[in-house]
Formats: sequence, C-alpha cells, structure tokens
Amino acid sequence: AQKITQTQPGMFVQEKEAVTLDCTYDTSDQSYGLFWYKQPSSGEMIFLIYQGSYDEQNATEGRYSLNFQKARKSANLVISASQLGDSAMYFCAKRDSTGGFKTIFGAGTRLFVKA
Amino acid sequence: EPEVTQTPSHQVTQMGQEVILRCVPISNHLYFYWYRQILGQKVEFLVSFYNNEISEKSEIFDDQFSVERPDGSNFTLKIRSTKLEDSAMYFCASIMDTPRSYEQYFGPGTRLTVT
Repeated sequence: AQKITQTQPGMFVQEKEAVTLDCTYDTSDQSYGLFWYKQPSSGEMIFLIYQGSYDEQNATEGRYSLNFQKARKSANLVISASQLGDSAMYFCAKRDSTGGFKTIFGAGTRLFVKA
Repeated sequence: EPEVTQTPSHQVTQMGQEVILRCVPISNHLYFYWYRQILGQKVEFLVSFYNNEISEKSEIFDDQFSVERPDGSNFTLKIRSTKLEDSAMYFCASIMDTPRSYEQYFGPGTRLTVT
C-alpha cells in the first residue's frame, strides 16, 4: 500500500526564520501529484502548493517552496520568513494518477511559530 | 472564488441512527470525494465519485456508507447505522478534471459526533 511519511510530529520555529517540514512517500507510479495542505485550529484544509512528478523545477508559491527529490521520493515543504499565523498542522499528500484519483495523506506535522 | 460548501457544520447523533452529510461541490467540477479525519489523526480517503458512480472506495467505506448525487448539485454521504467510531470530521472535496487539474478544493467539513 502507498504510504506518506512525515517524521516530525511537532516542530518549533522562531518568527521570521525558515523551516523545513519533511515528507517522503512510497509509490510505484510514474505519474502523480504531491501536495501540501495547512490545517489551522479552525479545521479547514487549505491548499498550499503542488508538485507534479514530471515537473523539472521545484514548485514555489509565495513563502512556500517544495524541495522535490524524485529519486529519493521526498517532497519537503520549506516555509520562509515564518509568521505567527503559520502555526498549524501541515499535511503532505499524494494524488493517484489512475483510478479514482484519490489523495492519501501523511500523519501531519504540527508547526509552532514562536514570537 | 468558487468554494465547496458542506452542511451541517456540526451534527450530533445517537449510535444506531442514520445521518446524511451534505455537500455542494463546485459547479463545473467532475470528481467528488469524501474524506474523514478522526480527531487528532490524519485525513483518510473514503470514496471517489465520477459520472454518477463510485470510482474508488477505501476499506473504511463499508456497507454502512453510501453516496449519492441526487440532483446534479448536491453530493451526499449517508451512514446508515452510526457507531461511536464514526465520530470524526468529514470533508467533501472536488476536482474539475484530471490529471492536469491539480487543486482539490475541500469543503469546511462536517463534524459528526456519535453519542
């Protein structure tokens, strides 16, 4: 079965510093999509960034960038210049490119930004 | 900005009762999903729905669960006889098309509490 692994259950970062949230995945698919979602305490799932498996360049969206290393099957999220509002749960996820195109999620990393 | 809506936001029910969770996906989207998140745990795929039929379901999605798109706009998840372990946040999601469309839009969730 496919698996998404986030090895950091909790992370602390100082405001204005950068932080990297780790994600590795297990797949035999050639084509797939990788995602990061933010879940604040209010509970909604907020899309942050996407990386396609065939994309040559690492994805960036504002302060978010994805460090994609396909051979190592890793897709780490880098948040630059952390803000207090970044404190939340962060989920790494992978979407299938066949079947029902379901998304499977990692267990999440809870990020705490310190003032 | 288009959004997925879900009602109710919170549902409390007694064990053994039937519940229907409702979702209105984005109007031109074609693929619809239900996910659940037990408190403090990761988001789990339940079912995907395309062209008025289930395209994929997880092992969680047993005979107690069913989905329906009764009128071309609503997308419902029915749990026939709720159990205590069904208590969770249920997210509806939709995608315009695949595989090129990458953003999966999540609704705000329905928190189901089974007593």
